[in-house]
Amino acid sequence: DTEVTQTPKHLVMGMTNKKSLKCEQHMGHRAMYWYKQKAKKPPELMFVYSYEKLSINESVPSRFSPECPNSSLLNLHLHALQPEDSALYLCASSPSGTGRAYEQYFGPGTRLTVT
Amino acid sequence: DAKTTQPNSMESNEEEPVHLPCNHSTISGTDYIHWYRQLPSQGPEYVIHGLTSNVNNRMASLAIAEDRKSSTLILHRATLRDAAVYYCILISPSGSRLTFGEGTQLTVNP
Repeated sequence: DTEVTQTPKHLVMGMTNKKSLKCEQHMGHRAMYWYKQKAKKPPELMFVYSYEKLSINESVPSRFSPECPNSSLLNLHLHALQPEDSALYLCASSPSGTGRAYEQYFGPGTRLTVT
Repeated sequence: DAKTTQPNSMESNEEEPVHLPCNHSTISGTDYIHWYRQLPSQGPEYVIHGLTSNVNNRMASLAIAEDRKSSTLILHRATLRDAAVYYCILISPSGSRLTFGEGTQLTVNP
């Protein structure tokens, strides 16, 4: 199984709502990532988890809260978002280790609209 | 991570080879060269990567210049399904960041 799944596919939320995005992989990868992609722009890295520990936070606002409950699952909790946070949120995973730069496997993304 | 430069767009005809260039003049000796592509309404997809030698896989070939300051992704016979944005990315072996540039939008004409 070489698939990264993301749910939901689409999400519409108000600025006062709390919601969560979910990402799952069963490839035994120990590194997982969240990216944000605005329309017609390249993906931008938000967070990296390595062995279930947060290793990189690219100065993301605290209204985005990542969580890695186990090695297969990655969540992104959303609270008090702004309309400019509307974007495609992509999850990815890769083997973790040193000595080479491993390829990342991306999910299809969650299209988020903040109203 | 070092920066890459790619043309904004390229066009090809179906069943013809496509050569997608990437310049990375500030590459360090240990940086890997990765290529990803993103089809419309999908997440990015890994295509190929290399360090010094040319590489082939089922999707494409990667030709790396001897001085490593540039590389070329080669699609041997373009199909309509190859229409996508192609990203050339440098990454260090200990790094985990993928820093996407603007990429090259490939259009394949029937």
